[in-house]
Amino acid sequence: DAGVIQSPRHEVTEMGQEVTLRCKPISGHNSLFWYRQTMMRGLELLIYFNNNVPIDDSGMPEDRFSAKMPNASFSTLKIQPSEPRDSAVYFCASSFLTGRFFGEGSRLTVL
Amino acid sequence: AQTVTQSQPEMSVQEAETVTLSCTYDTSENNYYLFWYKQPPSRQMILVIRQEAYKQQNATENRFSVNFQKAAKSFSLKISDSQLGDTAMYFCAFHLRDNYGQNFVFGPGTRLSVLP
Repeated sequence: DAGVIQSPRHEVTEMGQEVTLRCKPISGHNSLFWYRQTMMRGLELLIYFNNNVPIDDSGMPEDRFSAKMPNASFSTLKIQPSEPRDSAVYFCASSFLTGRFFGEGSRLTVL
Repeated sequence: AQTVTQSQPEMSVQEAETVTLSCTYDTSENNYYLFWYKQPPSRQMILVIRQEAYKQQNATENRFSVNFQKAAKSFSLKISDSQLGDTAMYFCAFHLRDNYGQNFVFGPGTRLSVLP
């Protein structure tokens, strides 16, 4: 059974560019989470969805960040425009009732 | 609010030895889950082991086992026969049972180094 699939694994971009991170949750999981991990702040929950509906986006740092989940098998996290301080590893995780199963993460570097 | 504490920022162990990582948590709730995640240098977050609070029996997964002390709110992870591949950050996590899966709190992590 495939786990959570994220793409791209690595992204290097220049300040001001748009970045889109993608996630495919585990089939049957009804909750999806986007996390950001940095050395300074550790793991931060940015937003989570339940049954494709955004439930809590209070962790989204600014309006430059947006997330969508158009269907049960796909979600995107978009940063527009990107800034160097957005450099981090972004994780997507999914769950059904309990546990969090993480993807391999997308390492973003904004120059 | 729930909190998770890992009092050991870093630990090291010789290969083939046993090591125990500490975790304590604070909650007034009764129905919850506890987890240990491993994050190796590859950065992937890997679920290692899970414990339901209503179960008294300690969870075990191969070389990984927990010592769950509900009254003391303690949830330590024991790694037996440590291997070089066990080198990683280990996060303890608490999850309150609810409908949406929020209230999932991670500890600050313990960096474990397995020495050859």
